[in-house]
Amino acid sequence: GIQVEQSPPDLILQEGANSTLRCNFSDSVNNLQWFHQNPWGQLINLFYIPSGTKQNGRLSATTVATERYSLLYISSSQTTDSGVYFCAVGNAGNMLTFGGGTRLMVKP
Amino acid sequence: DAGVIQSPRHEVTEMGQEVTLRCKPISGHDYLFWYRQTMMRGLELLIYFNNNVPIDDSGMPEDRFSAKMPNASFSTLKIQPSEPRDSAVYFCATREASSYEQYFGPGTRLTVT
Repeated sequence: GIQVEQSPPDLILQEGANSTLRCNFSDSVNNLQWFHQNPWGQLINLFYIPSGTKQNGRLSATTVATERYSLLYISSSQTTDSGVYFCAVGNAGNMLTFGGGTRLMVKP
Repeated sequence: DAGVIQSPRHEVTEMGQEVTLRCKPISGHDYLFWYRQTMMRGLELLIYFNNNVPIDDSGMPEDRFSAKMPNASFSTLKIQPSEPRDSAVYFCATREASSYEQYFGPGTRLTVT
């Protein structure tokens, strides 16, 4: 199956700082999603981005499918951005394989 | 739309008891997935349905686990008998046929003592 690696595993930021999270995957994909798992455990859809670039407010994501990686950018971080960020990929259209996540803590 | 609905949100039960988790998909979504999240194994797919039919149950850990989807509005995941190692958060996710994007419910946190 597809292997998904996320980096860094842990990240501590001061409020207002910018950050880049990376997701590497081992095979071609037709599905790539970024999720934020908040402190209450809910998985919030951030981006559906099997290729290209998208932006939503302070967040943006880029997937370079030919090189098998995706990046999630967080600008002007806020304490509410804390939680775990997951990258999940799929190439059969159905099963999502999740990376190990990046645990982010934003300090006031 | 209310999104994917799961119940109960929390379940505490004793070893050996039967546990039933429930999921109501987003209206019009033809695919339904059950995932389990643990500290040791992360998020893993257990089973998924298309148009109420189970397609791939290779992720179901053992015969104690079973899942059904009697209609387009309802699915259950049952564990009988439950064991402490089944303690985890169980998520239901759904998607429509025209897009691969999956939407997750709030999860059920199961604790088996």
